[in-house]
Amino acid sequence: NAGVTQTPKFQVLKTGQSMTLQCAQDMNHNSMYWYRQDPGMGLRLIYYSASEGTTDKGEVPNGYNVSRLNKREFSLRLESAAPSQTSVYFCASSEQPWTGSGNTIYFGEGSWLTVV
Amino acid sequence: GENVEQHPSTLSVQEGDSAVIKCTYSDSASNYFPWYKQELGKGPQLIIDIRSNVGEKKDQRIAVTLNKTAKHFSLHITETQPEDSAVYFCAAYNTDKLIFGTGTRLQVFP
Repeated sequence: NAGVTQTPKFQVLKTGQSMTLQCAQDMNHNSMYWYRQDPGMGLRLIYYSASEGTTDKGEVPNGYNVSRLNKREFSLRLESAAPSQTSVYFCASSEQPWTGSGNTIYFGEGSWLTVV
Repeated sequence: GENVEQHPSTLSVQEGDSAVIKCTYSDSASNYFPWYKQELGKGPQLIIDIRSNVGEKKDQRIAVTLNKTAKHFSLHITETQPEDSAVYFCAAYNTDKLIFGTGTRLQVFP
């Protein structure tokens, strides 16, 4: 009954360091997403993967890369962390890509990242 | 692109009172409007949604209304309880993206 699991939950990085946020879902969903959440700015889409083997940029992709490793896993990488990337990151998944039919998006519990 | 504005940013109510959160969107092509509840330290969870061909939808104590002409939609919570305290996000689906509002922190005082 795990749903969407993301690791680590907390991380402190120094400017310029790299790291990867891991995400896995056990609902056999086709689509996966990475969002960041900043105070007063809601949730903003970084990258998404409509299906295994595809990835696309969202609203704020700069400074990030993603890998859809298989149907279950979707990772987010910060190659050279900057203080502006201090945020809470959420992975999410849905059965199908957004098509206007309103597929429910399920979120993980978040990863708190601080870049100093 | 789509822009979603949400008001108020904070809302305090007494237990048992009603709470209303309002959102406006900019693109008339948007056709799906979900609401999410985010409890402290958790990810957002879908609580109710509405499609553009429906004006109102209700699920127990929560309801959502949509005015396509005015391009706004609202979340109504009746008989509020302390466990309703959370951050609520509206969102609008447009083309291939779900655009979120900036959130409303609802506090329900016993």
